[in-house]
Amino acid sequence: DADVTQTPRNRITKTGKRIMLECSQTKGHDRMYWYRQDPGLGLRLIYYSFDVKDINKGEISDGYSVSRQAQAKFSLSLESAIPNQTALYFCATGRESTDTQYFGPGTRLTVL
Amino acid sequence: AQSVTQPDIHITVSEGASLELRCNYSYGATPYLFWYVQSPGQGLQLLLKYFSGDTLVQGIKGFEAEFKRSQSSFNLRKPSVHWSDAAEYFCAVGRRTGNQFYFGTGTSLTVIP
Repeated sequence: DADVTQTPRNRITKTGKRIMLECSQTKGHDRMYWYRQDPGLGLRLIYYSFDVKDINKGEISDGYSVSRQAQAKFSLSLESAIPNQTALYFCATGRESTDTQYFGPGTRLTVL
Repeated sequence: AQSVTQPDIHITVSEGASLELRCNYSYGATPYLFWYVQSPGQGLQLLLKYFSGDTLVQGIKGFEAEFKRSQSSFNLRKPSVHWSDAAEYFCAVGRRTGNQFYFGTGTSLTVIP
């Protein structure tokens, strides 16, 4: 089984809809991250969480919110989706010490 | 502010040829440095990382990278490219305080027979 899983893998939605992307991990890491990937822009950090009670905004948090339900679960929400949020979204995990981040397979979101 | 530059958006090489992908960073101290590979439709996989010590690091799939402090660079190399190396490659910089990464915009590699 994969260490970092994301659901759904693909989602098409309409402008104004609320969307939740979910991430689960079995690596036992405290730190979890949400990134979005756009062609030519690389990966940009949306939110990150160092533990269940510690959530921080990243580079591009506007229009997004997150919830850390447990050490192993970190959800990303788009309260009112807009077309420019169409992107590939990645969840990642990491240990407390600065170390490798482990990525999920990604969720491709299309907002029409 | 930290930044990561990958000056080559796209590179094409012949199978069996050598490869070098460039990465430059801007950071006030010695960062943690990473190279990730993303195959089509896949997530990111770590190729190698540099934290300290020997500035030439070996990774998976025959890749290596060299940290050059004087040039603020961490270029990725492979002596002989295989067709399966065709993918997108990302350089990333991590801060030594806090666990945040900054990614470059990626280099797309095409391998021709």
